Amino acid sequence: AQSVTQLDSQVPVFEEAPVELRCNYSSSVSVYLFWYVQYPNQGLQLLLKYLSGSTLVKGINGFEAEFNKSQTSFHLRKPSVHISDTAEYFCAVSVGKAAGNKLTFGGGTRVLVKP
Amino acid sequence: DAGVIQSPRHEVTEMGQEVTLRCKPISGHDYLFWYRQTMMRGLELLIYFNNNVPIDDSGMPEDRFSAKMPNASFSTLKIQPSEPRDSAVYFCASSFASSYNSPLHFGNGTRLTVT
Repeated sequence: AQSVTQLDSQVPVFEEAPVELRCNYSSSVSVYLFWYVQYPNQGLQLLLKYLSGSTLVKGINGFEAEFNKSQTSFHLRKPSVHISDTAEYFCAVSVGKAAGNKLTFGGGTRVLVKP
Repeated sequence: DAGVIQSPRHEVTEMGQEVTLRCKPISGHDYLFWYRQTMMRGLELLIYFNNNVPIDDSGMPEDRFSAKMPNASFSTLKIQPSEPRDSAVYFCASSFASSYNSPLHFGNGTRLTVT
């Protein structure tokens, strides 16, 4: 079975500052990795995904993440945040299409961007 | 594409009442998932279907919960009788598992409050 750990439950950050959200996973098989964002009172939206290939993945809204197999990590970064990035961010893993891309989620990290 | 549609958006009911949550997946998607989100437990997978057939219901908390998918365009999650601890946001998600480029697409959720 897979598991996902998001090390920070909350991250306050000032506008235009960089942010990094940490994610570690464990799995006995190869996994596919995702970051989702949830804005208040909304469902989850896909930010980016790692399936294969380059370990640096670029997503929407200026976010990127780096897959590190040796450290079993998939940290999310943005060099300069906006107020509109205030949201909860979820790291997730799946074993791929064999299970319909069924996702196991981390506990989430709340990002609060301050002016 | 209208996305995954859930109804109602909000449901307030009294303990002991029956509650039915509804979901319309994206047309053509062959997997459907029900997740529950709470502050204490985060995002939990309750059950998922492939081609309208339940595949894994091990996340369903107890016999009070049941889910059906009578056709490819409709699913329900029923709680009978409801209890205050069932209060949560319930998400439906769908995917097209034949493609790696189709991760889960989430609806906006149903916020259930049981008093």
